[in-house]
Amino acid sequence: QKEVEQNSGPLSVPEGAIASLNCTYSDRGSQSFFWYRQYSGKSPELIMFIYSNGDKEDGRFTAQLNKASQYVSLLIRDSQPSDSATYLCAVNGGFQKLVFGTGTRLLVSP
Amino acid sequence: DAGVIQSPRHEVTEMGQEVTLRCKPISGHDYLFWYRQTMMRGLELLIYFNNNVPIDDSGMPEDRFSAKMPNASFSTLKIQPSEPRDSAVYFCASGRTSSGNTIYFGEGSWLTVV
Repeated sequence: QKEVEQNSGPLSVPEGAIASLNCTYSDRGSQSFFWYRQYSGKSPELIMFIYSNGDKEDGRFTAQLNKASQYVSLLIRDSQPSDSATYLCAVNGGFQKLVFGTGTRLLVSP
Repeated sequence: DAGVIQSPRHEVTEMGQEVTLRCKPISGHDYLFWYRQTMMRGLELLIYFNNNVPIDDSGMPEDRFSAKMPNASFSTLKIQPSEPRDSAVYFCASGRTSSGNTIYFGEGSWLTVV
């Protein structure tokens, strides 16, 4: 069983819609959770992190964490074509180590 | 502030040759990570260092891979001998204890072994 699981997609949404990206993890002891965005041919860049149960909002992005159910989600409001990328979920795997999912590809159509 | 710097950005080499990838972490960061990314397996952690000391190398695929961090501002990942299945993007990332588990990636080294 993979430690961090994501649907590979692609997830297709029209411009202006809400994109919902999900991630589940296996280690109940995980304490911190991250979302990275990766454009094709580029390196992953940090979008958000969340440590506590509930929601955390940053502009058009909202991260949601449910430790009991072991899932993390990322909502992107008012999706733009420039949001088209692969979104990687990462979970703390001990010390500073991050374990990544394989990513969900998001396509936002104009 | 400069980010994580990797070199070379692209390398094409023949099977059996030695490959050395280089990384300069962000100044002041005490953690350094080497990841490998492929379409099939995604981002895999190969090895990471804390204060120049290797902490976990369980992700290093085999003895052909080795990594060193001789000082706080430089690390290498070496593959000897290289094989076609080593073709991937190799990312170096760094982080700081005081910033939790947040890590920042370099631009990556695109390796093709023919």
